[in-house]
Amino acid sequence: AQTVTQSQPEMSVQEAETVTLSCTYDTSESDYYLFWYKQPPSRQMILVIRQEAYKQQNATENRFSVNFQKAAKSFSLKISDSQLGDAAMYFCAYKDDKIIFGKGTRLHILP
Amino acid sequence: GAVVSQHPSRVICKSGTSVKIECRSLDFQATTMFWYRQFPKKSLMLMATSNEGSKATYEQGVEKDKFLINHASLTLSTLTVTSAHPEDSSFYICSAHIWTANTEAFFGQGTRLTVV
Repeated sequence: AQTVTQSQPEMSVQEAETVTLSCTYDTSESDYYLFWYKQPPSRQMILVIRQEAYKQQNATENRFSVNFQKAAKSFSLKISDSQLGDAAMYFCAYKDDKIIFGKGTRLHILP
Repeated sequence: GAVVSQHPSRVICKSGTSVKIECRSLDFQATTMFWYRQFPKKSLMLMATSNEGSKATYEQGVEKDKFLINHASLTLSTLTVTSAHPEDSSFYICSAHIWTANTEAFFGQGTRLTVV
């Protein structure tokens, strides 16, 4: 069965600094998708970034980028120029026929 | 992005009663919808996969007679918590999908269920 592991329950970063959230996953599939979702206090799930496993190029969305290492089954999220509004729970997710979530990392932004 | 509406956002019910939660895709047809349960400060736990016109597929450990899922159309799935107990109190989230390449899940706003 597929699993997603986020080893950092909580992290803090100074405003305007850069932070990296870790995620590893386990699968025997070769074709799948990976996502990072943000869940603010409102609890609405918001897509941050997605990566197709067949693409070697790392996805980037403005201040958010990923380091996708397929062989190592690693999918970390880098947030540059952290802003107060980035404070939230961040979930790494794996998808083939269904989406499996990691346990999440709570990110605190220090002013 | 696509909009998924989940209703109600909050519900309080008495033990032993049933409560229905609706998940609607407002501007697209969802071939598949998923139902999740989220405990406080925890991750989303997949409960079941709902495909239009067929029976839901439940994850291991989820009671199908307890959590009834109906996906009668391409825009509506419902989750009914039957004979609710206080331990069923939780945050329930649905997501809707279109199974084409590059699609992410579109999530509803969630429903906070409190059983008293």
